[in-house]
Amino acid sequence: EIVLTQSPGTLSLSPGERATLSCRASQSVSSTYLAWYQQKPGQAPRLLIFVASIRATGVPDRFSGTGSGTDFSLTISRLEPEDSAVYFCQQFGSSPPTFGGGTKVQIK
Amino acid sequence: QVQLQESGPGLVKPSQTLSLTCTVSGGSITSGSYYWSWIRQPAGKGLEWIGRIYATGTGSHNPSLKGRVIISVDTSKNRFSLKLRSVTATDTAVYYCAKEGPGGSFQYWGQGTLVTVSS
Repeated sequence: EIVLTQSPGTLSLSPGERATLSCRASQSVSSTYLAWYQQKPGQAPRLLIFVASIRATGVPDRFSGTGSGTDFSLTISRLEPEDSAVYFCQQFGSSPPTFGGGTKVQIK
Repeated sequence: QVQLQESGPGLVKPSQTLSLTCTVSGGSITSGSYYWSWIRQPAGKGLEWIGRIYATGTGSHNPSLKGRVIISVDTSKNRFSLKLRSVTATDTAVYYCAKEGPGGSFQYWGQGTLVTVSS
């Protein structure tokens, strides 16, 4: 199965700053099958980005995704307090679908 | 807007079978060309895909669960179900049902239900 490694484990930034989250795959993933999720405590994950770079309905445009092959990233251009959450990447280019371990974004 | 709701016992004894149902509202489980999945998350940990099913009954599951998984669909009741046999404490987790979306993403999620395996 494809292993997704996310870094950093935790990101602590101030409101208005830019956050860049990395997701590295153990083998190449078609960008068609790479997604990002946001999860807040006690809630289900929320789809943010699919097909590596397409924002899901209702997702603010400060969230953007990019990447190809084995390296993908999620950028939050101007952090808001409500962006405090854990972010997961996920692939389904190869079965079984797998998730990264997550990056926790803390707002100072 | 599709909504999903998990239901089932919150406590299961070791070696027994965990059984959960996901009821879909706001749309038919037979519409579109997407699969319906089960995903779990142990407390404080990451997400693990369990398996999926299509409205026709075609499906697959994670090999890591060593054949303990049965996923079924009941289109007349607009719901699908999970059975996980021979559970142990390591199966304790929040279990989510989800509808797949474009590019193999999980577009819609239930709120999740905590299942604890304990005697």
